[in-house]
Amino acid sequence: EIVLTQSPATLSLSPGERATLSCRASQSVSTYLAWYQQKPGQAPRLLIYDASNRATGIPARFSGSGSGTDFTLTISSLEPEDFAVYYCQQRSNWPLTFGPGTKVDIK
Amino acid sequence: EVQLVESGGGLVKPGGSLRLSCAASGFTFSSYSMNWVRQAPGKGLEWVSSISSSSTYIYFADSVKGRFTISRDHAKNSLYLQMNSLRAEDTAVYYCAREHCSSTSCYLGAFDIWGQGTMVTVSS
Repeated sequence: EIVLTQSPATLSLSPGERATLSCRASQSVSTYLAWYQQKPGQAPRLLIYDASNRATGIPARFSGSGSGTDFTLTISSLEPEDFAVYYCQQRSNWPLTFGPGTKVDIK
Repeated sequence: EVQLVESGGGLVKPGGSLRLSCAASGFTFSSYSMNWVRQAPGKGLEWVSSISSSSTYIYFADSVKGRFTISRDHAKNSLYLQMNSLRAEDTAVYYCAREHCSSTSCYLGAFDIWGQGTMVTVSS
């Protein structure tokens, strides 16, 4: 099973700041990595698929990069609605696995 | 509107069974692989099971293998999760989720449409 590790666990930032979230895989997942955003009481929302492709309707301030074992989600300038939990997820191997999440909260 | 609506959750005793349903609308259900993902209270996301569009390929997490089955009914545009021998650790919100497809490709294992979830509580 591929284990995904996310860092930091919590990121405290102010609106307008840049957020950089990391996801590391225990073995190569090529570029088969997705990022999701989840707000309290809501289902997750797909942001990025295959490492760097924004899903439909996702603002350009969200970008993804990386390949192999190291990946980054960047939010260029935080909007109030961006404060949430972010999960990475690999689809390279079965079983599909998620990272533990990074909470982005308001400083 | 593209939509997934889960139902069938509830309170069940350890060892009991429950069948979850997911009603799909607004898209060609038969063309997409479908999935179940769960989230225990206050915890992260856990993939549970996936089924290909034709039901040819089915996958389960080790934590549910042998206890859960997944199926789909194209005539009813519905996805199902039959859960047997339930344990306390199966307590979670269960989401159904659609495989992401672009105009040219599908991305098995990436989930672009999610339902609102249905809560399953396993407790005596």
